[in-house]
Amino acid sequence: GQSLEQPSEVTAVEGAIVQINCTYQTSGFYGLSWYQQHDGGAPTFLSYNALDGLEETGRFSSFLSRSDSYGYLLLQELQMKDSASYFCAVRGGGGKLIFGQGTELSVKP
Amino acid sequence: DVKVTQSSRYLVKRTGEKVFLECVQDMDHENMFWYRQDPGLGLRLIYFSYDVKMKEKGDIPEGYSVSREKKERFSLILESASTNQTSMYLCASRGHEDYGYTFGSGTRLTVV
Repeated sequence: GQSLEQPSEVTAVEGAIVQINCTYQTSGFYGLSWYQQHDGGAPTFLSYNALDGLEETGRFSSFLSRSDSYGYLLLQELQMKDSASYFCAVRGGGGKLIFGQGTELSVKP
Repeated sequence: DVKVTQSSRYLVKRTGEKVFLECVQDMDHENMFWYRQDPGLGLRLIYFSYDVKMKEKGDIPEGYSVSREKKERFSLILESASTNQTSMYLCASRGHEDYGYTFGSGTRLTVV
């Protein structure tokens, strides 16, 4: 079967760094994506890793280790507006994107 | 920017009704998807389509069907709505060369 695991919630303070982990088990793997979703909003695409290593986009970075079936999203210099749900998603065989259950990030002042 | 538009933001339907959820994208994307989102369960794939008139089952297709008669439009059909289909429905699209999916704002469907 296919499954992704990520923590259900994480709390951090403004200005801090937070890491959201994701482990996956899928049949076929073409890449790991991350999406952000604010309350009541649409999920928005943050990053995509097809190869091992770290990808940096501004304050956000995403890491992938295919041998460990593991990735993480790193958020630096946290801001209040980063409070949202973050989903990891695996693009597997057949082009399907399978999502994890989401991590609710709360940023406190 | 790609825009994915879902026809209704909120919908209330009665058990047994046939329900149509419409999704339109304006960037000539080949791939379109329907997900439902429920608390604690994340986003689950219902159906997807690679091209006009093509459709593939996702992980939870039971009770649903889809239609893609035109490239820009992907419709989700609940043949006979049931209360367990009360959920947030999200449509998404992706071009062949794109990594990310673009989602619509969602339709919150309540079946009573």
